[in-house]
Amino acid sequence: GQQLNQSPQSMFIQEGEDVSMNCTSSSIFNTWLWYKQDPGEGPVLLIALYKAGELTSNGRLTAQFGITRKDSFLNISASIPSDVGIYFCAGAGAGSYQLTFGKGTKLSVIP
Amino acid sequence: NAGVTQTPKFQVLKTGQSMTLQCAQDMNHNSMYWYRQDPGMGLRLIYYSASEGTTDKGEVPNGYNVSRLNKREFSLRLESAAPSQTSVYFCASSETTSSGNGYTFGSGTRLTVV
Repeated sequence: GQQLNQSPQSMFIQEGEDVSMNCTSSSIFNTWLWYKQDPGEGPVLLIALYKAGELTSNGRLTAQFGITRKDSFLNISASIPSDVGIYFCAGAGAGSYQLTFGKGTKLSVIP
Repeated sequence: NAGVTQTPKFQVLKTGQSMTLQCAQDMNHNSMYWYRQDPGMGLRLIYYSASEGTTDKGEVPNGYNVSRLNKREFSLRLESAAPSQTSVYFCASSETTSSGNGYTFGSGTRLTVV
C-alpha cells in the first residue's frame, strides 16, 4: 500500500525561527493536505494542495505540492508559541477520496 | 457547527470490560473513519465506512468492531478490552466524491485499559 515518510519526527526551535518539514511518498498523489493537531485535540486541516508545483499560503504557513507529485513541504515562518503541536501530512491518489497519513512532526517552540 | 462529536472524552476500563465509543457528524458526509493514535505511530486506521450500510477493515482492526448506525453515526466497540488498546481514538468523516476537503476529525476519546 501507499506509504508516507514524514520528517523530521520532532523539532525544538526558538520562538521567531522558521520551520520546514516534508513528506515523501512511494507513489504519486493527486492531493496533498497538511493538518495540525493541538495538544488534546483532533487534527485540523491547514492547507490543501491539488496541483503539482502548487504553492499555497495560509498566514505564516506555506505549503508546496512537489513537481514529482511524490512529495510536499510545509514551512512556518517566524514561529510563535501557539505553533506547538503535531503536524501531519496526508495524501490521496488518483480517483481516491481516502487519505494516507504521515506519522507526524512534533513541533516544540521555546519562548 | 458541531462537525464531528465523540463521546466519551475520557474512559478508564479494566481488562476484559467492554465499551462502545460513539461518533456522530452533522455535515452530511458519506464516509466515516476510526483511527487510533499512539506515540510515534501516527494515526492508524482501525475501520472505515465508505457509505451507510458498509464497513471495512483498516490497518489495525483486531479487537474492534464497528457499526454504521445511520448516515450520521459510526460507533466503535471493544468487546474485551486489553491494555494494548490504551490509546487516543479519533473519529473522522469526509465526502466520498472528492479528497479535496480532506477529513474532519472529532476531538478524541482518551482510553486507558488497566
